[in-house]
Amino acid sequence: GQQVMQIPQYQHVQEGEDFTTYCNSSTTLSNIQWYKQRPGGHPVFLIQLVKSGEVKKQKRLTFQFGEAKKNSSLHITATQTTDVGTYFCALPGGTSYGKLTFGQGTILTVHP
Amino acid sequence: DSGVTQTPKHLITATGQRVTLRCSPRSGDLSVYWYQQSLDQGLQFLIQYYNGEERAKGNILERFSAQQFPDLHSELNLSSLELGDSALYFCASSPLSSGNTIYFGEGSWLTVV
Repeated sequence: GQQVMQIPQYQHVQEGEDFTTYCNSSTTLSNIQWYKQRPGGHPVFLIQLVKSGEVKKQKRLTFQFGEAKKNSSLHITATQTTDVGTYFCALPGGTSYGKLTFGQGTILTVHP
Repeated sequence: DSGVTQTPKHLITATGQRVTLRCSPRSGDLSVYWYQQSLDQGLQFLIQYYNGEERAKGNILERFSAQQFPDLHSELNLSSLELGDSALYFCASSPLSSGNTIYFGEGSWLTVV
């Protein structure tokens, strides 16, 4: 099945700094999803990207899908302590949408 | 609150034992998914049921089995437990078999000692 490499594994930032996590695939992706998991919590769906070059924004979060649909990124502007958690990209299965292949995740720590 | 309910929240059991994890999907959701999250394997898809039928299978061990009942709740049975089965097991649900966001429950922490 499809695989995705997510980097970095860890990111420590000072509150107010920006943060970016990347997901890369060797194959063309039909779509990609992003999830956030707070410490001790469960994954929560953030967004889905479908189109080549797509950019979507949610307040301080900006999601991008590469032109070749082989990579994606999540950028957080001016991080806040509420942003702490693990951010995952995930690839939906072809026939089973909920059969997700998750990236390794990026653990974000925000120091006040 | 996602609306997906999982029980128990925490479970400690011995190697060789069998446990059952229970999941109640969101009201009206027909699909149930089971995931395992561990430090070494990350978040992995195990199995999906749709309206009582198995729909997709992932990296689920033969010692593990699942089912979905007529009232749509699901159970994940883990048998002959090993230390390496210690993990967080998530259930998720969605309204249809494909094309929808899935919603995760709070998870069941399983510790095998």
